[in-house]
Amino acid sequence: DAGVIQSPRHEVTEMGQEVTLRCKPISGHDYLFWYRQTMMRGLELLIYFNNNVPIDDSGMPEDRFSAKMPNASFSTLKIQPSEPRDSAVYFCASSQGQGASKSGYTFGSGTRLTVV
Amino acid sequence: SQQGEEDPQALSIQEGENATMNCSYKTSINNLQWYRQNSGRGLVHLILIRSNEREKHSGRLRVTLDTSKKSSSLLITASRAADTASYFCATDFPNSGYSTLTFGKGTMLLVSP
Repeated sequence: DAGVIQSPRHEVTEMGQEVTLRCKPISGHDYLFWYRQTMMRGLELLIYFNNNVPIDDSGMPEDRFSAKMPNASFSTLKIQPSEPRDSAVYFCASSQGQGASKSGYTFGSGTRLTVV
Repeated sequence: SQQGEEDPQALSIQEGENATMNCSYKTSINNLQWYRQNSGRGLVHLILIRSNEREKHSGRLRVTLDTSKKSSSLLITASRAADTASYFCATDFPNSGYSTLTFGKGTMLLVSP
């Protein structure tokens, strides 16, 4: 398995533009997580899905953020409109089973978003 | 916040020395995990210790857990330059029937040749 695949690796966009981040989880994993990492706040859980259903989106900072998981092999995180304070590294992770009981989460390489 | 907090924030050692990082957390957990993050990369799972375990080993890694003190430590023995990375503890605590991982801010380890 190629692991969790995220695209793009880097994204530079202007304030006000729409940004879409993509994630392909590991086949067979039933949980998918979106995290955001900044120096100030560390890793924050934004939203997670179980069997493609959003379970908890309380970490999504504002209505400008939305996430979907139309099928077991694809998820998107969209920011519209983007703002400079959204600049961060966004990680997608997947796991098998609740609480990652055996092998933890598998993270993608992240998308470094810069909003100018 | 429920998140674990690592200590120290940064650690600099020489190759061959041991590195010890600590993690404290605030609430009861199902398990605690340690992850490594190399610069510009995603996090990689290292080891998981359950709440009813006190110590676990994996290669050069040794993890301890003291649930009475709500703390854990990660020991890397005979460190190598390749161990240079940030290390995060993550706590798995129950949340409305589901469980998710909450990460600390990490310890940055620098191993010099």
